[in-house]
Formats: sequence, C-alpha cells, structure tokens
Amino acid sequence: AQKVTQAQTEISVVEKEDVTLDCVYETRDTTYYLFWYKQPPSGELVFLIRRNSFDEQNEISGRYSWNFQKSTSSFNFTITASQVVDSAVYFCALSGLVYGNKLVFGAGTILRVKS
Amino acid sequence: EPEVTQTPSHQVTQMGQEVILRCVPISNHLYFYWYRQILGQKVEFLVSFYNNEISEKSEIFDDQFSVERPDGSNFTLKIRSTKLEDSAMYFCASSEGQGRGGYTFGSGTRLTVV
Repeated sequence: AQKVTQAQTEISVVEKEDVTLDCVYETRDTTYYLFWYKQPPSGELVFLIRRNSFDEQNEISGRYSWNFQKSTSSFNFTITASQVVDSAVYFCALSGLVYGNKLVFGAGTILRVKS
Repeated sequence: EPEVTQTPSHQVTQMGQEVILRCVPISNHLYFYWYRQILGQKVEFLVSFYNNEISEKSEIFDDQFSVERPDGSNFTLKIRSTKLEDSAMYFCASSEGQGRGGYTFGSGTRLTVV
C-alpha cells in the first residue's frame, strides 16, 4: 500500500523566516513519483514539483527547495524567506506504477505566514 | 499552458437529487481522475479512467457514483442521489501517462448538498 504522512498539521512563522514542511512516504513500488501541491485559500491545487524515485538530486526553484532522501523515505520542502503570499495548505503526494497510478495525498500542512 | 477545465465552479443541490460534474481534460492526456476534498480534510482519490473504462476506484466510489466520457473531450462524474456528506470540493485531473508526466488538476467544483 501507499501512504504519505505530513506530521505537521499547522505551522506559523513570521515573514522572512525559513520554514520546512516535512513529508514521509511509504510504498512498495520501486518506481514512484513524489509531488508537492499548494492549495491557497481560493481552493485550487497548484502543482509545485514532481520527482521520480531515481532522481535524488535536491532541487531549488527561487525561494523553494526540496530535499529527497530515499534512505529515510522523506521528501521535505523548504521555503526560504517566507512571505505572506506563501500562506496556504501544502500537500505532499505519491504515485507509483505497480500499486495504481493514482495520487495518494498526505493530510496537508497549513502554513500561516504573518507580517 | 494547457489546463483542465471544470464546470460548474459551484453547485448547490437538494439531498436526493442527481448532479453531474463536468471536466474537460487536457487533449493529449490519456488518464483521467476524480478526487474529492471534504472541507478542511485531505484530497481523496475517487476513480481513475483509462481507455474508456474505470481502471481503479476507491471505497468511496460506491454505486451512487459513475463516470463517463461521453465524447472525445468531456469527462463527467455523476452522483445519482446526493447525500449531505457528498458536500465537498471535487477535483478532476488528467495525466499523460502513469504519473510520469505529472497530474494537472482543474480548479474544482464546490458541491453543496442541502
């Protein structure tokens, strides 16, 4: 089976602080994909990143960075110098080839950035 | 950039009524999905559809739900007899292949059953 755990229900930070959102996954697939989505108050799901299980290189995109560690089954997301506009719910998700190609989502982390 | 279009954005319906939620996936995508998000909760998989048939469905997707691709562009979710607990945001998504191309989500339909 596949499972995604986001242990942090809610995080509050002050603007310009760095914040890391944790994601731990379980899967028996050897080939799988990991995702992060942002859900702003307007409700849509905004795609942020996709990684496949063979690519453990960390990625940076502007203020966003992702740390994929297969050894600990984690795919953490860091926002550097957070801004109020980063306030949203962030979901980590997993899909695999063998156990169905559906996306399995974590419970989400509510990020509140205060000015 | 290609996008998945969902209509309507909001729907209010009376308990027991049938509703049809509509989606236009990205044209060259082969896999289609419906997900549900009850307010304040996680996004849950309902059903996936490939080659004109259901490829996988969750426990939530019981006999009151059905999906259809009535023509070459639309992908619909029908709820036959709505219940209060069907109130949720329903997201349609499509993907090129099995995850490798990523999943593109529509902006959702907020269904309220009264």
